[in-house]
Amino acid sequence: DQQVKQNSPSLSVQEGRISILNCDYTNSMFDYFLWYKKYPAEGPTFLISISSIKDKNEDGRFTVFLNKSAKHLSLHIVPSQPGDSAVYFCAASPLNNNDMRFGAGTRLTVKP
Amino acid sequence: EAQVTQNPRYLITVTGKKLTVTCSQNMNHEYMSWYRQDPGLGLRQIYYSMNVEVTDKGDVPEGYKVSRKEKRNFPLILESPSPNQTSLYFCASRPTRILSVGELFFGEGSRLTVL
Repeated sequence: DQQVKQNSPSLSVQEGRISILNCDYTNSMFDYFLWYKKYPAEGPTFLISISSIKDKNEDGRFTVFLNKSAKHLSLHIVPSQPGDSAVYFCAASPLNNNDMRFGAGTRLTVKP
Repeated sequence: EAQVTQNPRYLITVTGKKLTVTCSQNMNHEYMSWYRQDPGLGLRQIYYSMNVEVTDKGDVPEGYKVSRKEKRNFPLILESPSPNQTSLYFCASRPTRILSVGELFFGEGSRLTVL
């Protein structure tokens, strides 16, 4: 029962263009949404998060958008850089904090 | 340096031979958890611990045990490993926060192969 879904296993974009990674969830109890980035042979690292009371959160080149009615969030990277090439995991958690669920991940490749 | 340390990073073992993957964090975090990563399934939680002597099952606890006798350590025990436990394992920790969700800090991962 995958409550968090990333339907695109991979995405390839040109350097300088926008990367859009998508994530859907099914559990209406989720209150917080996070994106993690993972390089090969390393653990995932936190990238950006958003609370359900917001619809947008921005941090430099990274912006996360949340559409609660559609149970959908997306991560925008503008402009994309080759160093952004990694696997991106979407995660969601209810406010009680114990049950963070992850998507299957999307492998982003940014071509020079 | 703030970090989560797992050992071993790589291990090949045989069915039925008990093994322990250690996890230690130096950030004084209350919460610790174990995940396994499998292709197409993402990260699935095995066990988590809210604090010392408090542990709970995650989504896929079968075949695993944990203990939390000290705040900094959270070992994962496979009493009788089987081939379906071949996976990439991550330990993670985070501080407990009120009315928000703190991000997880992950270890570098332990790749386990059970023959």
